[in-house]
Amino acid sequence: DAKTTQPPSMDCAEGRAANLPCNHSTISGNEYVYWYRQIHSQGPQYIIHGLKNNETNEMASLIITEDRKSSTLILPHATLRDTAVYYCIVRVEGGATNKLIFGTGTLLAVQP
Amino acid sequence: DAGVIQSPRHEVTEMGQEVTLRCKPISGHDYLFWYRQTMMRGLELLIYFNNNVPIDDSGMPEDRFSAKMPNASFSTLKIQPSEPRDSAVYFCATREGLLIEQFFGPGTRLTVL
Repeated sequence: DAKTTQPPSMDCAEGRAANLPCNHSTISGNEYVYWYRQIHSQGPQYIIHGLKNNETNEMASLIITEDRKSSTLILPHATLRDTAVYYCIVRVEGGATNKLIFGTGTLLAVQP
Repeated sequence: DAGVIQSPRHEVTEMGQEVTLRCKPISGHDYLFWYRQTMMRGLELLIYFNNNVPIDDSGMPEDRFSAKMPNASFSTLKIQPSEPRDSAVYFCATREGLLIEQFFGPGTRLTVL
């Protein structure tokens, strides 16, 4: 699975959009981009995933660059409850492996 | 559904003792994963099962660690004997078939003195 690079931490004002970047320059054509987050003292929680098209759900939007070497997770209106570590993961779906390899993630601190 | 259930939520034990962590998956989920999280190493996959069969245990750190899934409703992770460096939060996660999302339990915080 491709390696990802994320900033260790970011701040965001409450009510503003939070844009979390992820670099995955060695991503393969059949690897998806996944985002999970982990709120303090809880288990990780799935947010969104995509292959090459931009995706949106009730939690967030995922913007993947045309060359697929990077992506951005967007929380449109961040709240204090969005303070968490956000993990960007790339892996093949439906292949022989079912592993999620978590990196160090980005600690997003939403400020009041 | 109550989600993935783990017990105990907290465990404090002394070095050398046996520790058993338990997980009840979401009904109908046929994949079960055990993870360990520490400050030093982050979140690591230890082992996963598909239809109660262990598929990949390459993340299990040593022979002191063992995991079983005797039926679709229950899995255990056992450490015998436990050591202080085993102190961590252990998460169980489950998934239905090839669907994308893994659902994580609340974790068990293990402290080995």
